[in-house]
Amino acid sequence: DQQVKQNSPSLSVQEGRISILNCDYTNSMFDYFLWYKKYPAEGPTFLISISSIKDKNEDGRFTVFLNKSAKHLSLHIVPSQPGDSAVYFCAASARGSNYKLTFGKGTLLTVNP
Amino acid sequence: DGGITQSPKYLFRKEGQNVTLSCEQNLNHDAMYWYRQDPGQGLRLIYYSQIVNDFQKGDIAEGYSVSREKKESFPLTVTSAQKNPTAFYLCAIGPAGGPGYNEQFFGPGTRLTVL
Repeated sequence: DQQVKQNSPSLSVQEGRISILNCDYTNSMFDYFLWYKKYPAEGPTFLISISSIKDKNEDGRFTVFLNKSAKHLSLHIVPSQPGDSAVYFCAASARGSNYKLTFGKGTLLTVNP
Repeated sequence: DGGITQSPKYLFRKEGQNVTLSCEQNLNHDAMYWYRQDPGQGLRLIYYSQIVNDFQKGDIAEGYSVSREKKESFPLTVTSAQKNPTAFYLCAIGPAGGPGYNEQFFGPGTRLTVL
């Protein structure tokens, strides 16, 4: 069973507009959430994270929102740039799990000039 | 130069041969992880180690083995028992810290192709 779901395999946006990537989870024990960006044939790069005690975390152009009641989080990128084109993975960790991460399958973001 | 190194970048092996993938780090992190990425599958955890001389199975450990004799090194052996070994393998490190302090940082990966 997939505990972290990214239901949109791909997303295409225009440069300068907002990109919104979504992630849903089923395990209520998850208490820490992360977003990673990945280019082909490279390792993922950590982008931003959020603890379950918060509902928003912002870092420059990237903002993550967490809705615990809906078990949903989203990553907003504003403004989107062509260099943001990559696969974005949502990941989650549960307290007491030895800090293992459970990853979603990823969303391919394409930012068109 | 600091960081996480994985070698080689590309690796080819014949079916039935064991192969060992290297992962080295000089960032003094306690925890090390091995993931596998397949197209459309995201990242799946193979093995992880929180401390030297100790490691645990992840979600897809069958057909793999690891060792953690040094803090800096966490090699992964893909054995002939692994039915579908062709994949992109990623090593990650992280601090074995408390809640909210468990970002993992990834190496560049090794693409293994079994012919």
